[in-house]
Amino acid sequence: GAVVSQHPSWVICKSGTSVKIECRSLDFQATTMFWYRQFPKQSLMLMATSNEGSKATYEQGVEKDKFLINHASLTLSTLTVTSAHPEDSSFYICSAEKRWGAGTEAFFGQGTRLTVV
Amino acid sequence: SQKIEQNSEALNIQEGKTATLTCNYTNYSPAYLQWYRQDPGRGPVFLLLIRENEKEKRKERLKVTFDTTLKQSLFHITASQPADSATYLCALYNFNKFYFGSGTKLNVKP
Repeated sequence: GAVVSQHPSWVICKSGTSVKIECRSLDFQATTMFWYRQFPKQSLMLMATSNEGSKATYEQGVEKDKFLINHASLTLSTLTVTSAHPEDSSFYICSAEKRWGAGTEAFFGQGTRLTVV
Repeated sequence: SQKIEQNSEALNIQEGKTATLTCNYTNYSPAYLQWYRQDPGRGPVFLLLIRENEKEKRKERLKVTFDTTLKQSLFHITASQPADSATYLCALYNFNKFYFGSGTKLNVKP
């Protein structure tokens, strides 16, 4: 299957600072990537859809000025958590969409554990 | 929006038995439904996809059924092994988005 690499796998930052998370599709081009947030024992919550070369589409209730998404190339999307606060601590996961004959498959990164202190 | 329900209680079974997990959805029937496995602290890994016109799909010890009338998918693992212990998520693809259930944790005891 295809490979999606997410970096860093974990990060600890001070309150008020910004953190950038990278999501790369290593062996295929992804025009669409997704960013999710997951709380313990809960489902993946879609935050935004990242489209290469255009603005991201944010889900209702997600602050676009706080969670900046950039999809500058077909293999890289970044999520920047600006002015992070302890309540932003969570597990963030990206996925890249790969379309094939029978349907669409999502390949996930390994996730980033963000802890804001 | 699409709502997906999976049994939030953990499923505990003995090694060698068949595990059956349920996924129910409301609203729109998707063109296809997928199952993923997620281990703690890791991103989900794709397992199987089943289309709306398929009743059943198999892959090694895995079997998925899809009933669009009941709006339900069942995920079976036969001859389960302790290594199968993980959280299993079902996902629907509608309107260019993936919608995930909260997952069911499977514990296979030796």
